[in-house]
Amino acid sequence: GAVVSQHPSWVICKSGTSVKIECRSLDFQATTMFWYRQFPKQSLMLMATSNEGSKATYEQGVEKDKFLINHASLTLSTLTVTSAHPEDSSFYICSARDISRGQNQPQHFGDGTRLSIL
Amino acid sequence: DAKTTQPPSMDCAEGRAANLPCNHSTISGNEYVYWYRQIHSQGPQYIIHGLKNNETNEMASLIITEDRKSSTLILPHATLRDTAVYYCIVRVGIGNEKLTFGTGTRLTIIP
Repeated sequence: GAVVSQHPSWVICKSGTSVKIECRSLDFQATTMFWYRQFPKQSLMLMATSNEGSKATYEQGVEKDKFLINHASLTLSTLTVTSAHPEDSSFYICSARDISRGQNQPQHFGDGTRLSIL
Repeated sequence: DAKTTQPPSMDCAEGRAANLPCNHSTISGNEYVYWYRQIHSQGPQYIIHGLKNNETNEMASLIITEDRKSSTLILPHATLRDTAVYYCIVRVGIGNEKLTFGTGTRLTIIP
């Protein structure tokens, strides 16, 4: 089945640094990937749609200069949290789906990246 | 995408069938019902989806009412590892790929 991998699974860094999170589709190609954020005891909130070969589409209220998305190949999207601050601490999750199997195929999610900014 | 309503929490005894309801009274004819679950500190896991017919796979069964305004996810023999938050999501199958997560149902399996 479709597998999505995220790396790293956990990262702690100092305030002001930038952190890059990778999302890979391991056994399929994905022209579109999605990035979500989840705060403790809350549901997942979509941040942005990553499009291979073009600019990402950001949801309302998400700063595109803060959360840089690059989808340079059909199997890799990266999310870079720039100049991270403690309020950026969250659980970041990506998803993708294998449309080669049909248009109503489900999204599959990575295991998430827990980001803690000190 | 149509909005869904789920009970915030449910308990189920280990070994029994867990029946999780979802109301989606404003669903459109071309919208699918998807179920995901999220075990603590992990990404959501796809369970099952359907359009109007009942569906079954190795994980669960999905029962959709004839008017499609509600559905029930059935875990036939719940185990402790089924403790998770279960999300019912309705979305158009073709075109819009976004998933909008509600608050889901926190299912606790009791030993």
